[in-house]
Amino acid sequence: AQSVTQLDSHVSVSEGTPVLLRCNYSSSYSPSLFWYVQHPNKGLQLLLKYTSAATLVKGINGFEAEFKKSETSFHLTKPSAHMSDAAEYFCVVSGGASGTYKYIFGTGTRLKVLA
Amino acid sequence: SAVISQKPSRDICQRGTSLTIQCQVDSQVTMMFWYRQQPGQSLTLIATANQGSEATYESGFVIDKFPISRPNLTFSTLTVSNLSPEDSSIYLCSGTGDTEAFFGQGTRLTVV
Repeated sequence: AQSVTQLDSHVSVSEGTPVLLRCNYSSSYSPSLFWYVQHPNKGLQLLLKYTSAATLVKGINGFEAEFKKSETSFHLTKPSAHMSDAAEYFCVVSGGASGTYKYIFGTGTRLKVLA
Repeated sequence: SAVISQKPSRDICQRGTSLTIQCQVDSQVTMMFWYRQQPGQSLTLIATANQGSEATYESGFVIDKFPISRPNLTFSTLTVSNLSPEDSSIYLCSGTGDTEAFFGQGTRLTVV
């Protein structure tokens, strides 16, 4: 079975300060991990993905995440927050027997960026 | 990457009626899925749409309420039947390629 836990439902940061959104996963198989962003009334946008290649993954808009197998974590970071980063972020785990690609979504973290 | 077109983008329906949502992918995808996102919540997987056979439903979802078709590799429909206000949600379809999934823009359903 697979699951993903986003440790914070809400995160507030000041503009220009670092962002850390935490995600832990559980998987019986070698997982693929993703971060998606959803702006209000918008569709889902893929930020970055880990699929068993480099453990430090760089995504769009300055975001990156590090896969740490020993900690079963895949935290999302950004060195400097921008007002446009305010959105809902979802950590997603996928993968399983026979190459199934069923996505399991975390409960989401709402990022607020303060001016 | 694949582009997924989903329609309608939104609808307001009377309770007791049904809504059918269509999902068209611009290229063949390995698998297609349907998700529900209730207000202020995360995405919950409803079912895997299997080509030419019955969909595989997740716990808590049944075929009578959420019949799904997938006649070919690029098209699927989800029907939400016997609507009640609790069905008011965003419904999304997804198609997966080799390493990632692509999502439609969603259908915002309001049941009155």
